[in-house]
Amino acid sequence: GENVEQHPSTLSVQEGDSAVIKCTYSDSASNYFPWYKQELGKRPQLIIDIRSNVGEKKDQRIAVTLNKTAKHFSLHITETQPEDSAVYFCAASSGGSGGSYIPTFGRGTSLIVHP
Amino acid sequence: DSGVTQTPKHLITATGQRVTLRCSPRSGDLSVYWYQQSLDQGLQFLIQYYNGEERAKGNILERFSAQQFPDLHSELNLSSLELGDSALYFCASSVLENTGELFFGEGSRLTVL
Repeated sequence: GENVEQHPSTLSVQEGDSAVIKCTYSDSASNYFPWYKQELGKRPQLIIDIRSNVGEKKDQRIAVTLNKTAKHFSLHITETQPEDSAVYFCAASSGGSGGSYIPTFGRGTSLIVHP
Repeated sequence: DSGVTQTPKHLITATGQRVTLRCSPRSGDLSVYWYQQSLDQGLQFLIQYYNGEERAKGNILERFSAQQFPDLHSELNLSSLELGDSALYFCASSVLENTGELFFGEGSRLTVL
């Protein structure tokens, strides 16, 4: 089955700095890569996703890049703000192309943004 | 509000007991997933149902079972509870069976004493 590794487990930055979270996956059939944000005591919520036919996707201060050859994808947050503090999860799944369509999640990255 | 409703929000019980967690998916979503989140752990997939039928199983213990009813709500039954079953249990729903965004409920926090 799919295995998703996520690093770092904790990331501490100053407000205004950039933050990068990296994930690798094992199943070459995976073609959908969402990122979820979970604030303390809350439910995970999708913040951005990317499909395998795209190398990069941006939405305001967040961006995701995908390298299918290396089986590697990353979340980039620019100009971080205290409200970005949360746990971020990456995930990988496939949709109808073989492999597992069940999203497999990484173990999460706790991002702390210091004012 | 994701539109996914989970009850109860909190549950405290003793070892050896049995509990039932309930989930109502978003209106129109046919697929329901159950995930377990333990301390410092990611989201571990337990089981998925689609339109009343079991579609996929993850690392779900034999002491756990689930079902999806005709009205599409789902229940996760946890029996012979152990201390290690203490966790946050999330239900998520999606429109499609096999891809797309998951909409999570607020979770049910189970504490086994």
